[in-house]
Amino acid sequence: RKEVEQDPGPFNVPEGATVAFNCTYSNSASQSFFWYRQDCRKEPKLLMSVYSSGNEDGRFTAQLNRASQYISLLIRDSKLSDSATYLCVVIPGYSSASKIIFGSGTRLSIRP
Amino acid sequence: DTAVSQTPKYLVTQMGNDKSIKCEQNLGHDTMYWYKQDSKKFLKIMFSYNNKELIINETVPNRFSPKSPDKAHLNLHINSLELGDSAVYFCASSQSSHQPQHFGDGTRLSIL
Repeated sequence: RKEVEQDPGPFNVPEGATVAFNCTYSNSASQSFFWYRQDCRKEPKLLMSVYSSGNEDGRFTAQLNRASQYISLLIRDSKLSDSATYLCVVIPGYSSASKIIFGSGTRLSIRP
Repeated sequence: DTAVSQTPKYLVTQMGNDKSIKCEQNLGHDTMYWYKQDSKKFLKIMFSYNNKELIINETVPNRFSPKSPDKAHLNLHINSLELGDSAVYFCASSQSSHQPQHFGDGTRLSIL
């Protein structure tokens, strides 16, 4: 099993739809979780951190399910500008030497 | 004003050459990173430095040598470039190893 797995997509949804995707991780000791978005030929940019209690920022909601070892990202009322690749990041452990693992990304395409 | 800046943005060179990529951050962060993103868009950490000290050194050929003259700079020198080194290299920084990272806009390295 890969350390961090994401459905590569692409998810192709109409504008205004709600879309959700998950990211599973194998190390139950993982402590820090993030969602990034990456536009074509650009750098990854932080979308949101994922807290144990969940996190909401406008149309975006991130959840952590420790029992099943996955994090999720929900996008409501999707916009054309949401089209991008969404990367999850998992950091196992508390040490500064903990490996930082990026998922391979889920491609999202919003159509008019 | 750019938070994390890396130069050059594009680097086209011949196999066997030696090249360097520079990175500077003005965010006052303690931790800096180098990542490689290959043609399949998989983003993989190469090195991490905390206050000029090497923290993470993933399985990277020793032709790659990072250098951190101070905590605001992390340069990457590559000896004897090979075709497989063609990729986008991203520099990033964060306040600490478990905090969100800010990325530079990448150096696109092409080996002829």
